[in-house]
Amino acid sequence: KAGVTQTPRYLIKTRGQQVTLSCSPISGHRSVSWYQQTPGQGLQFLFEYFSETQRNKGNFPGRFSGRQFSNSRSEMNVSTLELGDSALYLCASSRSQNTEAFFGQGTRLTVV
Amino acid sequence: TQLLEQSPQFLSIQEGENLTVYCNSSSVFSSLQWYRQEPGEGPVLLVTVVTGGEVKKLKRLTFQFGDARKDSSLHITAAQPGDTGLYLCAGGGGSGSSNTGKLIFGQGTTLQVKP
Repeated sequence: KAGVTQTPRYLIKTRGQQVTLSCSPISGHRSVSWYQQTPGQGLQFLFEYFSETQRNKGNFPGRFSGRQFSNSRSEMNVSTLELGDSALYLCASSRSQNTEAFFGQGTRLTVV
Repeated sequence: TQLLEQSPQFLSIQEGENLTVYCNSSSVFSSLQWYRQEPGEGPVLLVTVVTGGEVKKLKRLTFQFGDARKDSSLHITAAQPGDTGLYLCAGGGGSGSSNTGKLIFGQGTTLQVKP
């Protein structure tokens, strides 16, 4: 059974640009959550999608957005990138809400 | 605001020693998950505990969920260099968010086991 797949693995962007990250959950999983991991703040919750609906949102500015498609795949978008957005972005999939979460390998975003 | 305090933040021990990592909160969680993360990779789920007082064993790792479901511990017996990594606890279904996949993470414990 394939795990959670995140693409791309690495990304370098310039300040002011926008970026789209992709996550394919484990087959049969309908919940996808996104997290930002930085050395100073640890893992922080961005948002969660379940059956194409955003169910929960963390304390991040509106520049961070996401969506989920009918096949449960999810994308997150960050617009007007800032240097502080440099981080490892992690996607986690769960069979349903409030069940075990399995993480992808992450996308390492560097903003220069 | 729900918080999970993990301690210690850093631990450097010799192979063969025992250690315990603690995860504490003032909030009640419906489940507590422990992950291990290698540099540049995503966290790998080790165990999920859901019942107050529950104890789970995974080879040399013993996980316990507090009776009140506010705290948890991870004990490693006879640590090996392969245990080196970042250990994270994460609480799910905290108060006010029972029907959600949102996880609250502790800051993590960086473990180094020297041969």
